[in-house]
Amino acid sequence: ETGVTQSPTHLIKTRGQQVTLRCSSQSGHNTVSWYQQALGQGPQFIFQYYREEENGRGNFPPRFSGLQFPNYSSELNVNALELDDSALYLCASSLGTAANYGYTFGSGTRLTVV
Amino acid sequence: AQSVTQLDSQVPVFEEAPVELRCNYSSSVSVYLFWYVQYPNQGLQLLLKYLSGSTLVKGINGFEAEFNKSQTSFHLRKPSVHISDTAEYFCAGVKAGGTSYGKLTFGQGTILTVHP
Repeated sequence: ETGVTQSPTHLIKTRGQQVTLRCSSQSGHNTVSWYQQALGQGPQFIFQYYREEENGRGNFPPRFSGLQFPNYSSELNVNALELDDSALYLCASSLGTAANYGYTFGSGTRLTVV
Repeated sequence: AQSVTQLDSQVPVFEEAPVELRCNYSSSVSVYLFWYVQYPNQGLQLLLKYLSGSTLVKGINGFEAEFNKSQTSFHLRKPSVHISDTAEYFCAGVKAGGTSYGKLTFGQGTILTVHP
């Protein structure tokens, strides 16, 4: 079975621009969560998608938005990029929303905002 | 509110020595607990998880952890480390039961450095 794949692996954007990050969930997983990991810190929960609907969100502003597609792949969109958005963005997929399913993480997208 | 605290930001150790990485959690409800490892420039790999049952949990690569409810701890141990264990380790928790909304709460991470 394939794991969670994210693209691109690295990205450099200018402050004020918009960015789209992509995630393909592990086979059979219908739930996707996104995390932001700033340098030297633990990952912070952004939001979760289940069956194409956002069903949980962390403390991130509305310029962070997402989509989930019928094949359960997902996108994270960030508008009006700020320097502090520079981070590793991790996608995690799960068999469902129940906490005991656990999560499989991708290798992440390293975003640098200059 | 739930929180996870990793008590050591860095742990240096010599090869073949034992190691313990400490994690404490704070929650008003039952939690599931996880340990993840992150190698440089990579994502997170699950080492082990505690959901219920036996408080001693065995994971991959020879790691184990013990859930201690009275001390609200979930420390990670390995009896003999290898150079290849050098990485950053994250403890994480999520509210047990019901739907989690994907919201894992992570600690700040512990960098384990194994010296020859």
